[in-house]
Amino acid sequence: EVQLVESGGGVVQPGGSLRLSCSASGFTFSNYAMHWVRQATGKGLEYVSAISSSGGSTFYADSVKGRFTISRDNSKNTLGLQMSSLRAEDTAMYYCVKASSDYYYDSWGQGTLVTVSS
Amino acid sequence: EIVLTQSPATLSLSPGERATLSCRASQSVSNSLGWYQQKPGQAPRLLIYDASNRATGIPARFSGSGSGTDFTLTISSLEPEDFAVYYCQQRSNWPRTFGQGTKVEIK
Repeated sequence: EVQLVESGGGVVQPGGSLRLSCSASGFTFSNYAMHWVRQATGKGLEYVSAISSSGGSTFYADSVKGRFTISRDNSKNTLGLQMSSLRAEDTAMYYCVKASSDYYYDSWGQGTLVTVSS
Repeated sequence: EIVLTQSPATLSLSPGERATLSCRASQSVSNSLGWYQQKPGQAPRLLIYDASNRATGIPARFSGSGSGTDFTLTISSLEPEDFAVYYCQQRSNWPRTFGQGTKVEIK
């Protein structure tokens, strides 16, 4: 069974930094692209960032480009998201998501909540 | 960026009724469209991929159709557990984008 467990969320002041992690199990992590998707409370889903299976290619939404960095460690089955220069509008639940071989989001973690507030 | 527009925003129906949800793309995504279901307090779940293929374990009452810019998710006969929010998502272009969601509520 695929399991994705996020950690690292919390309350941070505007301009601050936070690092999210996702621990993956139940599948061959190094074979699949991974994504971060976020959702503000009561709002819709927003793609944040993606990383290829090898880690050689990364993609970002314009709203986070230059501020967030996605990474992965295939030896430890972990996905990371380094967030800096955080803004109030980054407040959301952040989901770690596995991309299927057809590039859809076929497995989701339960999310970690990031709150940016003074 | 491809914009996905879902309609209606809310669909009020009774159990046993048929639900028809629409997703329109601002430019062609071919058949590269998926549908997700999200219940309160839960992560989304993939229902349909490539416009018309049911994901693993998804009941046959869920079906998808369409190509290009116009897509439909149909729930043939609503079960109590189907009342939720549904999102479409395209994987044709970067950035990946989602529709704003359609809430299917009990009438």
